[in-house]
Amino acid sequence: AQSVTQLDSQVPVFEEAPVELRCNYSSSVSVYLFWYVQYPNQGLQLLLKYLSGSTLVKGINGFEAEFNKSQTSFHLRKPSVHISDTAEYFCAVSRWGSNYKLTFGKGTLLTVNP
Amino acid sequence: GAVVSQHPSWVICKSGTSVKIECRSLDFQATTMFWYRQFPKQSLMLMATSNEGSKATYEQGVEKDKFLINHASLTLSTLTVTSAHPEDSSFYICSARGVGDTGETQYFGPGTRLLVL
Repeated sequence: AQSVTQLDSQVPVFEEAPVELRCNYSSSVSVYLFWYVQYPNQGLQLLLKYLSGSTLVKGINGFEAEFNKSQTSFHLRKPSVHISDTAEYFCAVSRWGSNYKLTFGKGTLLTVNP
Repeated sequence: GAVVSQHPSWVICKSGTSVKIECRSLDFQATTMFWYRQFPKQSLMLMATSNEGSKATYEQGVEKDKFLINHASLTLSTLTVTSAHPEDSSFYICSARGVGDTGETQYFGPGTRLLVL
């Protein structure tokens, strides 16, 4: 079975500062990797995904993530955050051949302060 | 593209009643839909996987007679919480997986908040 660890439950940053949200996974087989964002009282919105190919993936809202197979990581980054980026961020993996079932991390609450 | 809707967004019901939640893929055909439950400040817990035209597959610990899932078409899945009790109060979120280049990705609905009194 696969698992996902989001190392930080909360990350407070100031507006216009860079941010990195960390995600590590474990799996005995190849996986697809995803980052989702959840705004209060809403469902999840796909930020970006890694399926294959280039290990640097660019998503919406200026976010990007890099797949590092040797370190089994998929950290999410943004060079300059806005207050509107305040939300819960979930890293998720889907194991090849699992009917695309997602395993989620526990989430990281990003709080952007003025 | 890849929009998923849920209805209702909010529901309050009395203990013992049943509640039906609909999940629709609006602009793509969803061969598979998933139902999740989310408790406050926690991650999503997969309840079941629903494939069109076949019985849902429930995760361990989820009562299939309590949470009835019907995937009647390629754009609609329903979750019925039968004989709801206060402990069933939660945020229920569905997702849909399409075909082709959306096949590997789940697209999520906006969620349904259920409060059982």
